[in-house]
This record gives sequence, C-alpha cells and structure tokens, in this order.
Amino acid sequence: SQQGEEDPQALSIQEGENATMNCSYKTSINNLQWYRQNSGRGLVHLILIRSNEREKHSGRLRVTLDTSKKSSSLLITASRAADTASYFCATGQGGKLIFGQGTELSVKP
Amino acid sequence: GAGVSQSPSNKVTEKGKDVELRCDPISGHTALYWYRQSLGQGLEFLIYFQGNSAPDKSGLPSDRFSAERTGGSVSTLTIQRTQQEDSAVYLCASSLTGGGLAGGLDEQFFGPGTRLTVL
Repeated sequence: SQQGEEDPQALSIQEGENATMNCSYKTSINNLQWYRQNSGRGLVHLILIRSNEREKHSGRLRVTLDTSKKSSSLLITASRAADTASYFCATGQGGKLIFGQGTELSVKP
Repeated sequence: GAGVSQSPSNKVTEKGKDVELRCDPISGHTALYWYRQSLGQGLEFLIYFQGNSAPDKSGLPSDRFSAERTGGSVSTLTIQRTQQEDSAVYLCASSLTGGGLAGGLDEQFFGPGTRLTVL
C-alpha cells in the first residue's frame, strides 16, 4: 500500500517557470526522500530531508518538510525541458521505502 | 560496478511459464530491494534483503513470487506460472546499509528495471 499522496498528479509548465509538487504522508518519519523517474525506468535520488530539518536546497531544488502537517513540497526553480519526468516522495516504514503515487511534470520548451 | 544492473532489460513470456529476473547491486551495498511498477502506477514494494536474509517479504503478491540473494550480492526474483497481471516493470535498488530506525533509511540506488510482458 502507498504511504502518501502527491499532488498534483500531473503538472504542465513552460520552461523557465517554477514547479511545485506536494506530498503528504501518514506515519511518523525519520526522513523523507524525493526521487525522479524518466520514462518509467530506474529512479534517481534527488534529495533527502531529515525530520528535524524544515528546508533543504540542492541546486535548483528546494524541499520543505512540515512534520506537524505530515507534508513535504519539492520546488524546482527555473525549470528546463530536461526536468520533464515523474517525481516521487518516499518515506521509511520498517526497513523499506514507501513511495507516493508521483507527480508527472511536463516542461514545455 | 558503477551502478545497479538488472537483466534482462526486457522479457516477454507466455502465461504459465516461469521467469527469473536478476539484480546486481552496487558492490559493498548490504541492502537490496525489489519493487514493481505497473503502467502509470506508483512503486509497489515487494521484498528487501539485508545481507542474504529477507526481513520483510510482505510485499510479495502471492506464493508464485520468490526471491533469494546469495553471497550478499546478486539477487534473483522468480515468478512461477506467470499471469498477465504480473506484467510490469520490476525494479531493483540497493543501499549502503539500509539505514537504521534512528536516522531513517539510506538513499537507494536503482537499476534500470526489467520490463516483463506476459502474453
């Protein structure tokens, strides 16, 4: 079963615009991770935020975490066509990661 | 190796046949995970290994599915008597230690997946 929900399910923007994706989860966490997937194949880890962190940056990525609301957001600034992909949040449950349903981002040149 | 590798990359089989999917994790990674992703769906956890043992098999959909890991390295996922609903992309991932309860789980490194089609 999936741990959380992501919204929107799909997002279409123009190159240069910012993209924001949200993730909600159900249980308490130690960290939350964001992954990217191109063309339905392997996932690539983007960023990990710990439960005692509220915000984290990596290049054009900004992740926030609100443990009181059990939610996280991923912001991609100055988007590029190459950012087109599916983005998933994931939280730990026991020894395994549980992924959300993902947001499909399309960046039009 | 440079990354997680999986073979075959694509597999087409007939209903009722058995298939074996292979995963070679990153050298030195003790934790290994199998996931399944159906068309347009999220990732469904199947099983994970810590070393050669599998503490959590809860995601295996039925007793037709089994997995093993030998030498703390290569893992094989076997599906017996395949059904059409088994068609999916099977993804393998590894992580350095798996992580612990205090610090949360490690980052996972994914292979390119095996696309299984059952006719």
